[in-house]
Amino acid sequence: TQLLEQSPQFLSIQEGENLTVYCNSSSVFSSLQWYRQEPGEGPVLLVTVVTGGEVKKLKRLTFQFGDARKDSSLHITAAQPGDTGLYLCAGEPAGANSKLTFGKGITLSVRP
Amino acid sequence: NAGVTQTPKFQVLKTGQSMTLQCAQDMNHEYMSWYRQDPGMGLRLIHYSVGAGITDQGEVPNGYNVSRSTTEDFPLRLLSAAPSQTSVYFCASSYVSGRGDEQFFGPGTRLTVL
Repeated sequence: TQLLEQSPQFLSIQEGENLTVYCNSSSVFSSLQWYRQEPGEGPVLLVTVVTGGEVKKLKRLTFQFGDARKDSSLHITAAQPGDTGLYLCAGEPAGANSKLTFGKGITLSVRP
Repeated sequence: NAGVTQTPKFQVLKTGQSMTLQCAQDMNHEYMSWYRQDPGMGLRLIHYSVGAGITDQGEVPNGYNVSRSTTEDFPLRLLSAAPSQTSVYFCASSYVSGRGDEQFFGPGTRLTVL
C-alpha cells in the first residue's frame, strides 16, 4: 500500500496554463517535502512544509500543507517549459523512528 | 563543494556478478541513504545510516549490503546481481536523520543486470 498517493500521474499542458497537483494520504505527517527531478539527474528539494495549513510560495509555485497534515498541493501559475519534470512528494509519518517515504511522482510536460 | 557524488554512472552486469556502487559526500552529513527508482514505483529506501559505524535496513534491503566506516562514504554492495535489481540507484545525504531536513541526492547510477 502506497502511503503517499500523488495525482494526476501524468500531466501535459500548454505554456501559460495554470495547474494544481496533489499529494494525499490517510496518515498524519510531521513534515512534507516536494522535490523536482529532471531526466538523468537526482531529485532536488523545492520546499518543506511542517505546519498544518502552511502555505509557501516559490516564484510561480505555491505549496500548501493540509490543516490535518495528511495532504499537500502544488499549484503552478503560468507554467513554462522549464517546469517540465517529475514532481515527487515525500513525508515523514508522525511518530518515532519514522523514515522518509516518497510518492510515485507526477510527470509534468509543458509544451511551448 | 562537490555535494554527493556517485560512481559509476552506468553499469551492465551479468546475473550472479557482484559489484559495489560508490557514494561520497563532502558536506559532513551524518545521515546517508540509498534508494532505488523504478518506473511507476517512486523512490524506495534500501538501506540507511545515521552515522559512521551505524547502518539499518529500509523498505527493500534484500540482495544489498552496506557499511559506513567514515562519515563521507557509504558504498552499496550487490553480492550476486539479479535481473530484478535492474534500476536507477540514488544515494542521498542530510544533516541529521530526516525530520524535515533537505535530502541532497547524487546524480544516480543506472544499473542493468542481464
